[in-house]
Amino acid sequence: GNSVTQMEGPVTLSEEAFLTINCTYTATGYPSLFWYVQYPGEGLQLLLKATKADDKGSNKGFEATYRKETTSFHLEKGSVQVSDSAVYFCALRMNTGNQFYFGTGTSLTVIP
Amino acid sequence: DADVTQTPRNRITKTGKRIMLECSQTKGHDRMYWYRQDPGLGLRLIYYSFDVKDINKGEISDGYSVSRQAQAKFSLSLESAIPNQTALYFCATSEGRNNSPLHFGNGTRLTVT
Repeated sequence: GNSVTQMEGPVTLSEEAFLTINCTYTATGYPSLFWYVQYPGEGLQLLLKATKADDKGSNKGFEATYRKETTSFHLEKGSVQVSDSAVYFCALRMNTGNQFYFGTGTSLTVIP
Repeated sequence: DADVTQTPRNRITKTGKRIMLECSQTKGHDRMYWYRQDPGLGLRLIYYSFDVKDINKGEISDGYSVSRQAQAKFSLSLESAIPNQTALYFCATSEGRNNSPLHFGNGTRLTVT
């Protein structure tokens, strides 16, 4: 079946540290991949996406590359800020059936 | 996302009560979804609708029902609420294109006592 696995948190980093949140997927076919961010008290917001192999999605200093050979879509940021504290979700959308599958979320806290 | 509006934002109800959560959207999307979020479990799909006459069960539909009153409105009902339905509920929309993302509302926090 289709599924998304992301690293468990919580993750705590100091400001300006490098961030990696791992995400791997299992899919029968060629999905589109997404990272969402959820700030406290809010809904999920699309952070970035990639729709085919080797695509790189980027937004607000975050990046993720669609790696078909390793079925991964790891989220990275070179220098995190306190305002990046949130929960991050990796997700995929199948091209057939149009179902979305979410990881369980990774909580990030950035301390000054 | 202000284009997807959920009401109420918070609700406390008692076991056995009927409750309705409402969702409206101005994005013009045909597809609408209801998800439930629980700590450590991520998001789980309750129901989804690809157009006004189309309703589909998700992975955890038991105890819930939905109504798609119009393209822009999709409501979720709990006919007889129970404490393990205490959760954060999200409505979302999407376009039909394969690579289109979900657009979420700000959620309804429901507590069943």
